[in-house]
Order: sequence, then structure tokens, then C-alpha cells
Amino acid sequence: DPKIIQKPKYLVAVTGSEKILICEQYLGHNAMYWYRQSAKKPLEFMFSYSYQKLMDNQTASSRFQPQSSKKNHLDLQITALKPDDSATYFCASSQDNYAEQFFGPGTRLTVL
Amino acid sequence: GDQVEQSPSALSLHEGTSSALRCNFTTTTRSVQWFRQNSRGSLINLFYLASGTKENGRLKSAFDSKELYSTLHIRDAQLEDSGTYFCAAGRGSALGRLHFGAGTQLIVIP
Repeated sequence: DPKIIQKPKYLVAVTGSEKILICEQYLGHNAMYWYRQSAKKPLEFMFSYSYQKLMDNQTASSRFQPQSSKKNHLDLQITALKPDDSATYFCASSQDNYAEQFFGPGTRLTVL
Repeated sequence: GDQVEQSPSALSLHEGTSSALRCNFTTTTRSVQWFRQNSRGSLINLFYLASGTKENGRLKSAFDSKELYSTLHIRDAQLEDSGTYFCAAGRGSALGRLHFGAGTQLIVIP
């Protein structure tokens, strides 16, 4: 059974719209993260959470808003979508912020 | 800047041969993780090191926190080893951010 679930796997959106990317982890971890992988770029850190609290934010735009309704959930809301937002978004988790991180399968977002 | 320099960027190996990938860090690094990204885009955990070396089958990794580098050795390469390998540095702050290298695209040739 997958331990980190991301939904949807693929997402196509129009410019200006809003989407929510879902992430749930069943590893019992206390820390969760979002990373982005654009074409021809390395993975880029976006956010880290620990016990549902924001620890670090590397995303300049307020259009990206993480939402943690439960300890094992960290969703990512993206508003006013732009074509440059097209990327694969990975959710990850770890026991704490110092420990090994495990990644979900990713959500591939395409903004037209 | 806070960079992770990964080399080589691309590598072709014949089946049965061996090689090494390397990551150099430009600042203090507390831990390193190595991943393989497969053709479906999934990131597979290979190693997590805070120091020293670890071995798993045909793969072996080392991390020298003083000299600021890590290596991943692939022995007796197999077709299923093909993929993109990433190293990622953990700086040890409570913030948890991983800093990724640009990746090494490995192709194993029959």
C-alpha cells in the first residue's frame, strides 16, 4: 500500500484558475514538505511543516498556500495559476525535520 | 550561494561495469540523501547518511562532512539502474529543507 498519497496524479488547469493538490501520509511522521520539479530544473524546496505548523517557506508568491487540516495532511492551494506554474509537485514527509525524507509519487500540473 | 554541485550530469555505462557519482557541497551539511528517479517520475530512497559509508547490494555511498562531499558508487551496473540520480543536502536546521543537486542521468547499455 502506498504510504504517501498524492491526488490527483495529473492535473490540467487554465490560466487564472485555482487548484488544490492533496497529500496524505500514513507513515506516522510529524513533518511534511512540498517540493517542485520543473522541466530541466532540480527539485526545489517550497514549504516545510512540523506538527502542522509552518517552519520554512521558500516560495516568494502568496499564490501558493499550504493547508494542514490534520497532522498527516498537507494540501497545497495554488491560486491565479500561470503557465510557469506547470511542474510536478512532490509532497514528502519525515519523522522530524532532521530525519530522512520520503516522497510521494507527485502531481503533474499543466497550466494552459 | 548554497549550492549542491552534482557530477557528472550524464553517464552511460555498459552492463556489468562500475562507476561513481559525486556531490560537492558549498556549505556545512549535516546529512545527505541519495535518490533515484525512475521513468515514471517516482523518487526512490537509496541512502540517508549523517556520516561514514553505507552499502546496499551493488550500491555504496559515502559522506565526508568535513570535506563537504558525498559519493554514490554503482557496481556491476544493471539495466534497471537506469534513471536520474539526485543527491540532496540537509543542513541540520529545524526547518528541514533539502537542497537538491541537478541530477545525474544514468543510462545502462546492454
